[in-house]
Amino acid sequence: GDSVTQMEGPVTLSEEACLTINCTYTATGYPSLFWYVQYPGEGLQLLLKATKADDKGSNKGFEATYRKETTSFHLEKGSVQVSDSAVYFCALSVSNNNDMRFGAGTRLTVKP
Amino acid sequence: ETGVTQTPRHLVMGMTNKKSLKCEQHLGHNAMYWYKQSAKKPLELMFVYSLEERVENNSVPSRFSPECPNSSHLFLHLHTLQPEDSALYLCASSQVGGPGNTIYFGEGSWLTVV
Repeated sequence: GDSVTQMEGPVTLSEEACLTINCTYTATGYPSLFWYVQYPGEGLQLLLKATKADDKGSNKGFEATYRKETTSFHLEKGSVQVSDSAVYFCALSVSNNNDMRFGAGTRLTVKP
Repeated sequence: ETGVTQTPRHLVMGMTNKKSLKCEQHLGHNAMYWYKQSAKKPLELMFVYSLEERVENNSVPSRFSPECPNSSHLFLHLHTLQPEDSALYLCASSQVGGPGNTIYFGEGSWLTVV
């Protein structure tokens, strides 16, 4: 079945370091891909998404490119801030489907 | 104001109590969801309602009972819960049918069973 695998954390970085959180997927159809972020004590917020191959989603300095050839959607940011400390979830959904599949989440801690 | 509102934000209940979680979405969506988030399992889909009909149950124990009276409101009725049911319960909504079926979450209801 459709699934998402993301790198396990936790990840600890210093402020202004580069971030990459890996995400790969398995899908029988043509999924849309998402990154959600969950700040402490809050629900999940959509961070960015891409709906077809080679699309790049971006928001708040984060980027991810939908790579069909490697079935990946890695999250990247060139310079992280303390305020980026959160749990990041990779997810996929197939159109006309109620089901969204989430990865296990990666906890990021950014230290000053 | 968020598009998906959950109440209460925090709930403490005994194992013999009956309580309910409420969710309201202001986004005009046609599907609503309940997810459970705990330390053991980051995100578990519990129930899905599409066009006000339940389409997925995922073998959730009967002590959890969902209700969807209309497309904007979703409830989760709780009774005779166990301490292991303590978790964050997230409500979400989406518009099913278009490309990129984005799910929008509420801020969650923290449940503690004592």
